[in-house]
Amino acid sequence: EAGVAQSPRYKIIEKRQSVAFWCNPISGHATLYWYQQILGQGPKLLIQFQNNGVVDDSQLPKDRFSAERLKGVDSTLKIQPAKLEDSAVYLCASSLDGQPPHGYTFGSGTRLTVV
Amino acid sequence: AQKVTQAQTEISVVEKEDVTLDCVYETRDTTYYLFWYKQPPSGELVFLIRRNSFDEQNEISGRYSWNFQKSTSSFNFTITASQVVDSAVYFCALSERNSGYSTLTFGKGTMLLVSP
Repeated sequence: EAGVAQSPRYKIIEKRQSVAFWCNPISGHATLYWYQQILGQGPKLLIQFQNNGVVDDSQLPKDRFSAERLKGVDSTLKIQPAKLEDSAVYLCASSLDGQPPHGYTFGSGTRLTVV
Repeated sequence: AQKVTQAQTEISVVEKEDVTLDCVYETRDTTYYLFWYKQPPSGELVFLIRRNSFDEQNEISGRYSWNFQKSTSSFNFTITASQVVDSAVYFCALSERNSGYSTLTFGKGTMLLVSP
């Protein structure tokens, strides 16, 4: 079974530029999560999708962050404009149905550096 | 609200020592799940264990063991005879099972450094 794929692996941008990250979850997984992990901290949930609908985006800074999951499969997370404090690893995860007995599988993440 | 506390920011041990990583959680739900993940320097999150709130049996997997105590809201992780390859950041996480959808909430992590 293929894992959760994310790209790019690394990205360096200047502040005020825009950036987009891509995630391809495990085939058949209905639930997709984007987490932000700032250096030295645990991952923090940004947004959770069930199929192509958003079920939790309470911690997503909506003035600059946006995410979509067209057709309930791949997802993109965008930051526009980026700030220095957005430097972090952005992790995508998927789950069969969003319930813990089925677990969560994480991708390798995208490391973003904003200079 | 849910919260996971990993009070130990960093632990350093010498190879072959035993080490315990602490995790304390808060939840109002009676049904919930606890997880431990390992994050090596390469960055990926590696699943180690999942435990539901109704199963208080301790578990052992090779050199790893987990002690779940609902009375103290703790889910501690012990590595026996540590090895250099155990060096990583370890995260404890909590997921509540709601009628709707669940979310995984992480602690801040404990960095384990095992020296030869």
